Amino acid sequence: AQKVTQAQTEISVVEKEDVTLDCVYETRDTTYYLFWYKQPPSGELVFLIRRNSFDEQNEISGRYSWNFQKSTSSFNFTITASQVVDSAVYFCALSEARNNAGNMLTFGGGTRLMVKP
Amino acid sequence: EPEVTQTPSHQVTQMGQEVILRCVPISNHLYFYWYRQILGQKVEFLVSFYNNEISEKSEIFDDQFSVERPDGSNFTLKIRSTKLEDSAMYFCASSWTDPPSNQPQHFGDGTRLSIL
Repeated sequence: AQKVTQAQTEISVVEKEDVTLDCVYETRDTTYYLFWYKQPPSGELVFLIRRNSFDEQNEISGRYSWNFQKSTSSFNFTITASQVVDSAVYFCALSEARNNAGNMLTFGGGTRLMVKP
Repeated sequence: EPEVTQTPSHQVTQMGQEVILRCVPISNHLYFYWYRQILGQKVEFLVSFYNNEISEKSEIFDDQFSVERPDGSNFTLKIRSTKLEDSAMYFCASSWTDPPSNQPQHFGDGTRLSIL
């Protein structure tokens, strides 16, 4: 069974600080996919990034960066120079690769990030 | 950019009534999903749908729930005999190509269902 744990339920930072959101996952599959989604106060879920289990390269997109470490089953997300607009709940999610159609996402509990001016 | 559209944005229903939540997935997507999020909790998978049939469902998705793709564009979630604990935000999502786990699921803005 797959499981995603986001141990930090809430983080509060001051604008311009860097912040890292932790994500630890469990799966028995050797092929799987990891995702991060952002849920702003308006409630929608916004896709941020997808990573497959064979690609451990870190990725940077503007102020966002992701650190995937298979050895520790972690897929952490760092926001550099945080801004008030980054305030949201961030979800890490896992999907196992199977032959059947429609693979479910298993979400972590989310981390609420509050960026104060 | 194409997006998943859900209607209504908020639905208020009396306990015991039936409710239908509607979704229009992204037009070239082949895989459709429903998730729910009880207030303040994690997002939970309900069901996935491909080629006009359910491909996977969770324990939550019992006989009270059903899904349908009545035409080429809509994807609906029906909840029969609603209960108070069905109050939640319901998200529709879609993705394309095979294998579906390789592609991100794009979510709609959600329907907030309130059962009174």
